[in-house]
Amino acid sequence: ELKVEQNPLFLSMQEGKNYTIYCNYSTTSDRLYWYRQDPGKSLESLFVLLSNGAVKQEGRLMASLDTKARLSTLHITAAVHDLSATYFCAVDLNQGGKLIFGQGTELSVKP
Amino acid sequence: GAGVSQSPSNKVTEKGKDVELRCDPISGHTALYWYRQSLGQGLEFLIYFQGNSAPDKSGLPSDRFSAERTGGSVSTLTIQRTQQEDSAVYLCASSLLAGYEQYFGPGTRLTVT
Repeated sequence: ELKVEQNPLFLSMQEGKNYTIYCNYSTTSDRLYWYRQDPGKSLESLFVLLSNGAVKQEGRLMASLDTKARLSTLHITAAVHDLSATYFCAVDLNQGGKLIFGQGTELSVKP
Repeated sequence: GAGVSQSPSNKVTEKGKDVELRCDPISGHTALYWYRQSLGQGLEFLIYFQGNSAPDKSGLPSDRFSAERTGGSVSTLTIQRTQQEDSAVYLCASSLLAGYEQYFGPGTRLTVT
């Protein structure tokens, strides 16, 4: 059974600081997604990572995938308050679309 | 263009009643997915459709849960004889094809009293 684990689960940051969220998964997959969820809202797609070594960047966020280590990272550079949200990674188990989600990382960026 | 829509946005029902939740996918998307999000269980896959067929319904928690999709478009998730543990946000997503990037709807918050 595929398990997806994120850490940390809670992250309180100061504006301007850098940090990394980790997503480990237990079985082979080369398709991983990162989503953002604001309180009371649905999931917004951030990144789609489809191969080993994939790296994608959007603004202050950068995601990478290491399929051999079964690890993805979401790096936050110079955090701003607007990044406060819950971030989920999700692994596509059989490349058929069944997503297995991590527990989510609740990020709070304080001035 | 229009995104995934779901209705109702909120549903309060009494224990033991049946409920139907509806999902309208993005036009042209052939794959449709149901997930549920609850405090205790996080985000869980329920079922997905490719066209009108459901190749994977492994996440349905019990036989009280069923889903159908007609015309390769709208899908309904039906929960019979609701229980309090069914209280959750039910999210629908669609993608161009199975395995492609999924776009999520706003969800239906179900409360069973």
